[in-house]
Amino acid sequence: NAGVTQTPKFQVLKTGQSMTLQCAQDMNHNSMYWYRQDPGMGLRLIYYSASEGTTDKGEVPNGYNVSRLNKREFSLRLESAAPSQTSVYFCASSSPDLAKNIQYFGAGTRLSVL
Amino acid sequence: QKEVEQDPGPLSVPEGAIVSLNCTYSNSAFQYFMWYRQYSRKGPELLMYTYSSGNKEDGRFTAQVDKSSKYISLFIRDSQPSDSATYLCAMSLSGAGSYQLTFGKGTKLSVIP
Repeated sequence: NAGVTQTPKFQVLKTGQSMTLQCAQDMNHNSMYWYRQDPGMGLRLIYYSASEGTTDKGEVPNGYNVSRLNKREFSLRLESAAPSQTSVYFCASSSPDLAKNIQYFGAGTRLSVL
Repeated sequence: QKEVEQDPGPLSVPEGAIVSLNCTYSNSAFQYFMWYRQYSRKGPELLMYTYSSGNKEDGRFTAQVDKSSKYISLFIRDSQPSDSATYLCAMSLSGAGSYQLTFGKGTKLSVIP
């Protein structure tokens, strides 16, 4: 009964370092999403993947890249981390073909960039 | 004007109180309305969703949508300390292929024993 699994849970980076956040879902959902959550800013969409093989930019894509590896997995990469990317990152999945687009979230990755 | 406005609180109530949480929105095309609950240091979890206008009840929780006023509410009856969390409203357009949810910024609720 895992749902959406994110790794790692915590990470500290130095400015300029790169890293990949991993996300996997076992609900057979077509669509997956990456958000960041900052105090006072709410949830902001970084990238999403409507279906396997497609990705699209969200509200705040600069400084990030994504890969939809297969139907289950969607990764978020920071090529050169900056302090402004210190945030909590959430992955989510949904099946918009069901018309509701109810999204199910992972537990989050807390990232600090020093 | 933001698409979705939600008072961030914090809101502090005594145990047993009735809590009212609200969001207003500007896009009349929204058709699906959701409430997510987020405990501290956890991911958001779906609490309730409604389609178009009307009320939906689930135990101590009632969700209301007034599309004419572009206003949605979540009521919590007999509030418990375990209800202490941040509540996020979210809404989406109708139809298959509507990939994006628009979220409010969340209201932080504390229920004091």
